[in-house]
Amino acid sequence: AQKVTQAQTEISVVEKEDVTLDCVYETRDTTYYLFWYKQPPSGELVFLIRRNSFDEQNEISGRYSWNFQKSTSSFNFTITASQVVDSAVYFCALSEALGGYQKVTFGTGTKLQVIP
Amino acid sequence: NAGVMQNPRHLVRRRGQEARLRCSPMKGHSHVYWYRQLPEEGLKFMVYLQKENIIDESGMPKERFSAEFPKEGPSILRIQQVVRGDSAAYFCASSPEGRVNQPQHFGDGTRLSIL
Repeated sequence: AQKVTQAQTEISVVEKEDVTLDCVYETRDTTYYLFWYKQPPSGELVFLIRRNSFDEQNEISGRYSWNFQKSTSSFNFTITASQVVDSAVYFCALSEALGGYQKVTFGTGTKLQVIP
Repeated sequence: NAGVMQNPRHLVRRRGQEARLRCSPMKGHSHVYWYRQLPEEGLKFMVYLQKENIIDESGMPKERFSAEFPKEGPSILRIQQVVRGDSAAYFCASSPEGRVNQPQHFGDGTRLSIL
């Protein structure tokens, strides 16, 4: 069965610090996708990144970077020089094809508070 | 706005009433997914629908909850005889064909509050 674990429930950092959010997943599929979403206090889900299981290249987008390691089944997310606007709940998610169709499993989220 | 549209954004019901949540998928998308987010928790899959068909309702409570996606019009998630425990954010997502390589696009959610 697919499972996503975000062991960090809440993290507080001071502005400009770097912070890494951990995500560990379980799947039996060889083809799957991993996602990160941001949920600000306003409640909507903001898509951040999608990565497929065959692409282990790390990715950087501005202050955001993602480290995908299949060997440890991890897809960690780092925010460099954090800002107050980064305060939100961040969800990691796994998508696989079960029974011929896509099914997405979300982690329980990590609440990030950036203190000015 | 060509994104997934959910309405209402906020819905307040008294215990025992019915709640109807609507979701219009992105243009060209015929696959819809509903998720529930209880307070302080992650999103949990409820049901997956294609036009006029329920494909997977394994995450849906057996009683009081139903979903449909008619040939014309939005997908509806219906909760009958609501109870306090139904208070949550309900998110809808859509994709073109439901394939694993197609990302699901999420709406902004409906926040349901039960008095």
